[in-house]
Amino acid sequence: DQQVKQNSPSLSVQEGRISILNCDYTNSMFDYFLWYKKYPAEGPTFLISISSIKDKNEDGRFTVFLNKSAKHLSLHIVPSQPGDSAVYFCAASPSGSARQLTFGSGTQLTVLP
Amino acid sequence: DAGVIQSPRHEVTEMGQEVTLRCKPISGHNSLFWYRQTMMRGLELLIYFNNNVPIDDSGMPEDRFSAKMPNASFSTLKIQPSEPRDSAVYFCASSFQQGLSGNTIYFGEGSWLTVV
Repeated sequence: DQQVKQNSPSLSVQEGRISILNCDYTNSMFDYFLWYKKYPAEGPTFLISISSIKDKNEDGRFTVFLNKSAKHLSLHIVPSQPGDSAVYFCAASPSGSARQLTFGSGTQLTVLP
Repeated sequence: DAGVIQSPRHEVTEMGQEVTLRCKPISGHNSLFWYRQTMMRGLELLIYFNNNVPIDDSGMPEDRFSAKMPNASFSTLKIQPSEPRDSAVYFCASSFQQGLSGNTIYFGEGSWLTVV
């Protein structure tokens, strides 16, 4: 039973346009959400996070939106760059607990030059 | 600043052999995690240590898997005997504290295991 779902295994976007990656969760106890980026042959690296007390968090070109009623979050990348091509993992945790962090299956983003 | 260091990066072994994966967490971090990534199940937590003590091993798939953390700077994940279905990328990760607020988990580059 997947508690964190990334239903799009892949996404292609033109350079300069917006990339929108989506994530749904089922566990209402989740209150802390993160996005990780993973390049081939490397480990995942932290990108951005959001607490359930917020509905938006922005860091440069990256913005995460949280819709608690829909149990949905999304990552927006504007403008997209070829270097953003990677696998993006959504993750969620109850009470901000690191050991209870649950990951989605990932979305491969390809930014076309 | 050195990140989480894992070895070996790649391992190909025959079914039935023992496999030992090694991890050196970031200095000063007191939480250590072993994850496994597969196509079918994505990233899943196998075991979590805090202050060198195994706190949660509910993700360890079966008795063939074991993990140790003899000191704050070293951990091992052992599979004995290995089976083809154990083929995956195994990630070690560490964090400074147990909570995620203002904190994050740092991953190593992974150990790619192939059991033939």
